[in-house]
Amino acid sequence: DTEVTQTPKHLVMGMTNKKSLKCEQHMGHRAMYWYKQKAKKPPELMFVYSYEKLSINESVPSRFSPECPNSSLLNLHLHALQPEDSALYLCASSQKTSGPNTGELFFGEGSRLTVL
Amino acid sequence: QKEVEQNSGPLSVPEGAIASLNCTYSDRGSQSFFWYRQYSGKSPELIMFIYSNGDKEDGRFTAQLNKASQYVSLLIRDSQPSDSATYLCAVNNAGGTSYGKLTFGQGTILTVHP
Repeated sequence: DTEVTQTPKHLVMGMTNKKSLKCEQHMGHRAMYWYKQKAKKPPELMFVYSYEKLSINESVPSRFSPECPNSSLLNLHLHALQPEDSALYLCASSQKTSGPNTGELFFGEGSRLTVL
Repeated sequence: QKEVEQNSGPLSVPEGAIASLNCTYSDRGSQSFFWYRQYSGKSPELIMFIYSNGDKEDGRFTAQLNKASQYVSLLIRDSQPSDSATYLCAVNNAGGTSYGKLTFGQGTILTVHP
């Protein structure tokens, strides 16, 4: 069982809605990530938080707004999304924030988002 | 452009055989390399990572890295039907402070048939 918990597992929203995806981990990891995965495609990095500060934003549109309230929680706020934003949104965490094994990620089960 | 390419699939092997998954990368500055397995409808899970040239073994899995050839592979010995999944090669290529900034390959679908 994954130690990274994501809610909700499924979300359907209209283009004018505001919703949030939530992620929680209790492994003491200090780096947390949002990845986006379209069907039959590899995950693509969106955001990285390290020690609760935004470290990387991969030029993600502002309709996606990340938030890290504390070291265990990561949110992704969604507003005015487009149908092409429909995808699986994966949260991940890692123990290391530097060094060769920073890519040792623990993924949550994902939130499958459908934008109508 | 930093790219990660995997051998095109799908790859089908009989139960008990060795499955060989290959990956090449374009950025010579890449430092560490990861193999993730993703079952259909599930999230990726880490199988192995390697950052030194040579082989690294963990149970039925062996990762091989050749930085001169910019090549990394994953061998699965005694393949089982439960190994049937998409295997994602991922490269960490942004330096020592790169966090988990991974570039993933397109994945290779492996099917192990009884």
